[in-house]
Formats: sequence, C-alpha cells, structure tokens
Amino acid sequence: RKEVEQDPGPFNVPEGATVAFNCTYSNSASQSFFWYRQDCRKEPKLLMSVYSSGNEDGRFTAQLNRASQYISLLIRDSKLSDSATYLCVVNMEYGNKLVFGAGTILRVKS
Amino acid sequence: GAGVSQSPRYKVAKRGQDVALRCDPISGHVSLFWYQQALGQGPEFLTYFQNEAQLDKSGLPSDRFFAERPEGSVSTLKIQRTQQEDSAVYLCASSLSRTGDQPQHFGDGTRLSIL
Repeated sequence: RKEVEQDPGPFNVPEGATVAFNCTYSNSASQSFFWYRQDCRKEPKLLMSVYSSGNEDGRFTAQLNRASQYISLLIRDSKLSDSATYLCVVNMEYGNKLVFGAGTILRVKS
Repeated sequence: GAGVSQSPRYKVAKRGQDVALRCDPISGHVSLFWYQQALGQGPEFLTYFQNEAQLDKSGLPSDRFFAERPEGSVSTLKIQRTQQEDSAVYLCASSLSRTGDQPQHFGDGTRLSIL
C-alpha cells in the first residue's frame, strides 16, 4: 500500500463547478499535511497547509480527518486557471520528510 | 530572485557519464531536500540536509547517487555512471523548518535525459 494515495483523475469539470479531491495516508502518526499544486512542466507550489480544524483560503477549503486518515480539498467556483495537478503531501512521523501522492489532475473547461 | 535556484535546467547525457546537478536554496533556509519526479508521478524523496549534515539519505536509489552540502548552503546531487532509468526531473526544495511543520519551497527542477 502506498503511503499517500490519491485518485489520479482526471476530473473534467465546467467553469463554476465545485469539485472535491480526497487523499488517504497510511501513517497514523503523521503530523503535517499540505496540498501542493503543480502545473505542467513546472515545480510544485504550496497551495495550502491543512489544519486539524479545517481551513479555508478563498475558494479553497481543506479538511483533515485523523480518525479515517484522509485529507480533502474542495474547490468552489472553478476557474480555467485552476487546471493543474493537485498533490496531497504528508509529513511522516519519522523526521523532516514529505511524502507526496501521485497527484490528481483537474481540467476546468469553458 | 529570492527563490530556490537549480542548474542546469536541462541536462542530456549519454549512458555511463557522470552528471552533477546544483541547487541554491533560499537564503537562511536550514533544510534542503532533493526529490526525483518521474513522468505522471509525484516527487519521490531522495535525501535531506539540515545545514551541512545529511540527516536522511534513505531515498537514494543506489550508491551511484551522492549528494553534498559542504557549507550548509548550495547543494550538489551527483549521479555516477548514469543509466536510462535515471531520466527524470530532479527537484530541490528548501525550508526554514527543522521539523517539517513548514512548507517546502521548490526550484524549477533539472530535467535529466539519459540517452
């Protein structure tokens, strides 16, 4: 079983739609969680950290469910510019090491 | 700029050649990481430095891979006797954090192609 698993997609949605991605992680002692965004042939960029109480940044909402060991990302009012690969990232218990999921592809179409 | 800088941006080498990839982290960032990203996959951890100390090299795929950060700033990832399966994008990231609670900032990567 992979340490961080994501549905690879692609998710094809129209502009203005709401879309949600889930991610599961294997290590129950994981401490830090992030969503990164990666555009084609570009480097990953931090989208948002994920906090235990859930957090929101504009159109983006992240949730953490420690009991079920999953993380979610909700995007409201999708824009064409949201098209990218979204990487779920977990800092495992053992040291300063991030483990990335393989990514979920989002395509927003007009 | 103030971001993580990697060079070269692209590298083509023949199988069996040695290559060296450079990373210049954000000034003042204690932690530096190297990742390997294959097409269609997320980045895979290779190794981690805290200042000049290499604290984790568990992700290096073989003894042909070697990384150093002698003065706690610039880092070099060296691959000896390259093979075709080494073809990938090599990403460097740096972070202020020693404990992983802060995000990592990535460079543009070096796209390595082994012929």
